[in-house]
Amino acid sequence: QQPVQSPQAVILREGEDAVINCSSSKALYSVHWYRQKHGEAPVFLMILLKGGEQKGHDKISASFNEKKQQSSLYLTASQLSYSGTYFCGTERYNNNDMRFGAGTRLTVKP
Amino acid sequence: EPEVTQTPSHQVTQMGQEVILRCVPISNHLYFYWYRQILGQKVEFLVSFYNNEISEKSEIFDDQFSVERPDGSNFTLKIRSTKLEDSAMYFCASRQFNEKLFFGSGTQLSVL
Repeated sequence: QQPVQSPQAVILREGEDAVINCSSSKALYSVHWYRQKHGEAPVFLMILLKGGEQKGHDKISASFNEKKQQSSLYLTASQLSYSGTYFCGTERYNNNDMRFGAGTRLTVKP
Repeated sequence: EPEVTQTPSHQVTQMGQEVILRCVPISNHLYFYWYRQILGQKVEFLVSFYNNEISEKSEIFDDQFSVERPDGSNFTLKIRSTKLEDSAMYFCASRQFNEKLFFGSGTQLSVL
C-alpha cells in the first residue's frame, strides 16, 4: 500500500535540476511531499489534493496526476540546502493512513 | 508555528520491558499518527487515530502495540514486551483534515 518512489538516490551539483517521482497502485486522494535532514523530523514541503494539480514555491514545485496515481517533485537550480531525503506520502479515498515511500536521498555538492 | 511535543527524546529499555512514548498533539488537531523509522530507512506508518479510536493500523501494529488518548491532550504509544527490532525513532504527528502533518521531534528508542 505504500507508494513507490524513484530514484532511490540523486547526486547533483549546485544549480542543477532534479525530478523525484512517486506512484501508487491505489487511487489517491492526496499526495504530500516532505524533506528530512539527518537526525531530524520530516519537514512539510507541499500537499496536492486535486487531479492535475500543480503547486510550487521558490524553486520547488510538484504535480499530481490523479488518473495515473502519480506525483512528481521538481527541484530547479538546486542549492546546498536542498540536500536531504525526500519522502512522498499518499492518502487514499475514505482512508486515514498517510503512508510514505522509501525516500529519495538527494545530495547537492558545490 | 505550533508544535507537536514528544517525550522522552531518548528511551533505553531492556528487552521484554514495556515502554510508553508520549506525545502532545497540536490542540485543535483531530487526526493523530504514530510512525517509526529505523536508522537510515523509510518512515513506516504504524497507526492513525481519530475521534478517540483507531482509524487505521498497519501490519506492524500488532497486539504488542496500543495507543491511547487518556486525557484529551496526550496521545501515547505503548509497546509491551519490547524486542530488539523495536529499536527505532518513533514520530508522533497530528493534523487537521486535508492539512499537512506536523511531526514531533521523535523519541529514539533503544532496546538492549
